[in-house]
Amino acid sequence: EIVLTQSPGTLSLSPGERATLSCRASQSVTNNNLAWYQQKPGQAPRLLIYGPSSRATGIPNRFSGSGSGTHFSLTISRLEPEDFAVYYCQQYATSHTFGQGTRLEIK
Amino acid sequence: QVQLQQSGPGLVKPSQSLSLTCAISGDSVSSKSAAWNWIRQSPSRGLEWLGRTYYRSKWYNDYAESVKSRITINSDTSKNQFSLQLNSVTPEDTAVYYCARGWAYSSWGQGTLVTVSS
Repeated sequence: EIVLTQSPGTLSLSPGERATLSCRASQSVTNNNLAWYQQKPGQAPRLLIYGPSSRATGIPNRFSGSGSGTHFSLTISRLEPEDFAVYYCQQYATSHTFGQGTRLEIK
Repeated sequence: QVQLQQSGPGLVKPSQSLSLTCAISGDSVSSKSAAWNWIRQSPSRGLEWLGRTYYRSKWYNDYAESVKSRITINSDTSKNQFSLQLNSVTPEDTAVYYCARGWAYSSWGQGTLVTVSS
């Protein structure tokens, strides 16, 4: 099973700042089949990025994904108030597994 | 736009079976490009993929090793829906259960909190 480790656990930033979230895999993710999700309280996760740099439908271009192999990143170029949430990475190359999440909170 | 509507009981007794259904609108359960998944989320286990069903000239099912001996996912083409059955549940199976479409999950159901308790 591929284990995904996200860092940091919590990220405290202000609106307008840039956020960079990391996701490391215990082994190489085949075809870079990695996705990022945003989850707000009481809601299902929402797909942001897949493959690992394609934006899902309706996702603003301030969200971008990068990486390959075992190291992936999600960048939010300029934080909006609605971006403060929990973010998860997920690999769908070998079975499916999720990271433990990064909480993005307002500083 | 694909929409998924979940239904099923929110309380299940230990040792019994958990059953949930996910009705699909805007797509077909027998689509040859989609996969239909069950995922759960709990504070102790985080997000956990349970399994999927998909159709590629015949039906395929894949299950997570952690639940493989207890899980069944079925599809119903007449009702355009798919279902989850998890047998011999324990309090550890208490979680919010989601259905979702895709390999990366582009559409999600609303979630169902299932509590395992006597």
